[in-house]
Amino acid sequence: AQKITQTQPGMFVQEKEAVTLDCTYDTSDPSYGLFWYKQPSSGEMIFLIYQGSYDQQNATEGRYSLNFQKARKSANLVISASQLGDSAMYFCAMRANSGGSNYKLTFGKGTLLTVNP
Amino acid sequence: GAGVSQTPSNKVTEKGKYVELRCDPISGHTALYWYRQSLGQGPEFLIYFQGTGAADDSGLPNDRFFAVRPEGSVSTLKIQRTERGDSAVYLCASSLGAGTMTGELFFGEGSRLTVL
Repeated sequence: AQKITQTQPGMFVQEKEAVTLDCTYDTSDPSYGLFWYKQPSSGEMIFLIYQGSYDQQNATEGRYSLNFQKARKSANLVISASQLGDSAMYFCAMRANSGGSNYKLTFGKGTLLTVNP
Repeated sequence: GAGVSQTPSNKVTEKGKYVELRCDPISGHTALYWYRQSLGQGPEFLIYFQGTGAADDSGLPNDRFFAVRPEGSVSTLKIQRTERGDSAVYLCASSLGAGTMTGELFFGEGSRLTVL
């Protein structure tokens, strides 16, 4: 079984500053993938970034980076230079990359990020 | 449009009624997924289609829920004898294939179901 824990129900950040959203996970799968999705008020889940469990380097996508600490089972999302449009719910998710269920995402409860002007 | 399309965007129904929710995936995507998102929660897996067949329906909560994808494109989630606890946002997603390198799922905006 897989589990994702996001301990921050809400976070506030000042525009142009960086913010870290926490995510810890638990799995017995040797190979897995970690994802972050953004969900604005429109409801659509927008893929942000992916980290494979065997990737040597932390993933980066523009202003998003994933701070992957395998031994601690954490996959925090770092957003640099926050913008007002970053205000949204953010979900951490994981998926086994091997075995018969490598299509199923398990999501955390999410963190509501508010960017203040 | 180029994205995943879901209709209706909002559905209000009475307890005991039958409901159908439709998902039109991105053209060419063979994998299609339904997730349910209750208030204050992350999405929870319901069912996964590869082509026309339901490869995994283990997330469907009970036999009142059923989904089809007869031609391997559009999918319909069907809920019989709706209950108040079925109220949630039903999200559809599609991908080129399951378990790909990043496994990026493209989600629709969801169908918000309210059962009175």
